[in-house]
Amino acid sequence: GAVVSQHPSRVICKSGTSVKIECRSLDFQATTMFWYRQFPKQSLMLMATSNEGSKATYEQGVEKDKFLINHASLTLSTLTVTSAHPEDSSFYICSATPGAPDTQYFGPGTRLTVL
Amino acid sequence: AQKVTQAQTEISVVEKEDVTLDCVYETRDTTYYLFWYKQPPSGELVFLIRRNSFDEQNEISGRYSWNFQKSTSSFNFTITASQVVDSAVYFCALKEETSGSRLTFGEGTQLTVNP
Repeated sequence: GAVVSQHPSRVICKSGTSVKIECRSLDFQATTMFWYRQFPKQSLMLMATSNEGSKATYEQGVEKDKFLINHASLTLSTLTVTSAHPEDSSFYICSATPGAPDTQYFGPGTRLTVL
Repeated sequence: AQKVTQAQTEISVVEKEDVTLDCVYETRDTTYYLFWYKQPPSGELVFLIRRNSFDEQNEISGRYSWNFQKSTSSFNFTITASQVVDSAVYFCALKEETSGSRLTFGEGTQLTVNP
C-alpha cells in the first residue's frame, strides 16, 4: 500500500518551454501533496505544499508563477515548470500523505534537463 | 527552530559488517514524529519507519533496528549484516506537531556496502 507514481520519470526540453509533471497517489486519497527539488548529493528542498481544491503554499524563495501547482483531486497533483531554463534542471520529487499521522510517501522522481 | 543533523556524510563498509547511521534532532515541541527514508540510486525515497515522541521503544525489523533516545535527542539506525543492496542515501526526518505535515530532513548519509 501507499504507492505514489510520478510521470514522466525523465524529461529533456528546450529552454523556454513548459514542462508538466504529474504525481498520483495510487491506492489512497492524499489530503496533502508536496513537491521537492533535489540537487546532486544534497537533501530534499521543499518547494510547495498543496491541498486538494485550494491554492498551494510555496516556500520562501520559490517563484509561484514559475512553478505552477494544481491539486485537482485527492489523487492527483501537477507541477508545471513554466518557461524552463537550464538552471531549472534538477530532480523533482513529489510526496503524498493520507492524513494523520502524516507519513509522507514519495514518488520515484522526475529528472528534468533543460537544454 | 527544528533541525535534523546527520553528521556522517559518507560511510563505507564491507558486506556483513554492522553499521549505525546517526541522527540527532532539535525541536521545542513535545509531540513530534521521526522518520527514516532510504534513497537508492534510482532516486525514489522509500519509507522505512515512523516513530512518535511518546514511544521510546526500540524497534527491530529484520536486519534493521532503530534506537530512539529522547535524553540525547537521537534516533539512530543500525543495519546488521549489511548487504550490497543496502547501498543508498539514508535520510532522517522530523515532523513537529505544530508544523502541519512539513518534514525537516537531515542532509543524508551515503552508505556504500562493498562486496
